[in-house]
Amino acid sequence: AQSVTQLDSHVSVSEGTPVLLRCNYSSSYSPSLFWYVQHPNKGLQLLLKYTSAATLVKGINGFEAEFKKSETSFHLTKPSAHMSDAAEYFCVVSDSNSNSGYALNFGKGTSLLVTP
Amino acid sequence: NAGVTQTPKFQVLKTGQSMTLQCAQDMNHNSMYWYRQDPGMGLRLIYYSASEGTTDKGEVPNGYNVSRLNKREFSLRLESAAPSQTSVYFCARGQGLGETQYFGPGTRLLVL
Repeated sequence: AQSVTQLDSHVSVSEGTPVLLRCNYSSSYSPSLFWYVQHPNKGLQLLLKYTSAATLVKGINGFEAEFKKSETSFHLTKPSAHMSDAAEYFCVVSDSNSNSGYALNFGKGTSLLVTP
Repeated sequence: NAGVTQTPKFQVLKTGQSMTLQCAQDMNHNSMYWYRQDPGMGLRLIYYSASEGTTDKGEVPNGYNVSRLNKREFSLRLESAAPSQTSVYFCARGQGLGETQYFGPGTRLLVL
C-alpha cells in the first residue's frame, strides 16, 4: 500500500513569510497525490492534486506543490502566509492499486500557526 | 460542502445505544466513503461503496455497518456504540481520474 509521511506535526510562521509543509510518500507506482486543508471545526477542502501531468501543481489560495519523484516528495509551499491560512493540512496519496475504490491514505497532518 | 451533506452535525450517545449517520451527495458519482478522524491520526477509512448496491470494508470497520440503498445516499450505522467510537465522522464522494474525493462537513459523535 502507498503511504505518506508529513515530516512536521506543527509549523509556525509569521504573517507575510513563506510557508513550507513537507510531505514524503512511498509508492511503487506513479501515485496521485493531494493536499487538503481543514480549518477548525470544518470539513476538508481540496487545495490541489497531482495526477502525473505537470510536476508543479498550483492550487487555491496561492498554494502550490512540486512532485519530485527522485526525492519521493510532494511539499506544499506558499510565498506569503496570511492569517487565514492557519489550519490543519493533510498530505494524501491515492492507493489506486488497492481494492478500496481509490481510497485515500492520509498523513497525520501538519498544524500551521500564523503569527502576526 | 462540496455537494455532500451529513446529518446530524452533532450527537451524544450512551454506551450501547445505536444510531445511523446519514450522508447524501447531490452529484451523480459512483463512489462514496466513510472516514473517522481522531486527534493525531489523520483520517481512517471505515467503509466505502464503489457503486450503488456494493459496500466494502476499509481500515477500521469493526463496530460499524453501512448501507448504500441508492446512488445518492450512504449511511453509517453504529449498532452498539462504545466510547472508542467517539470521533468526527466524514463522508466523501469520489470523482474523476485518481478519484479526487470531496468531503462533507462532518458529524461529531460523543459516546459516554
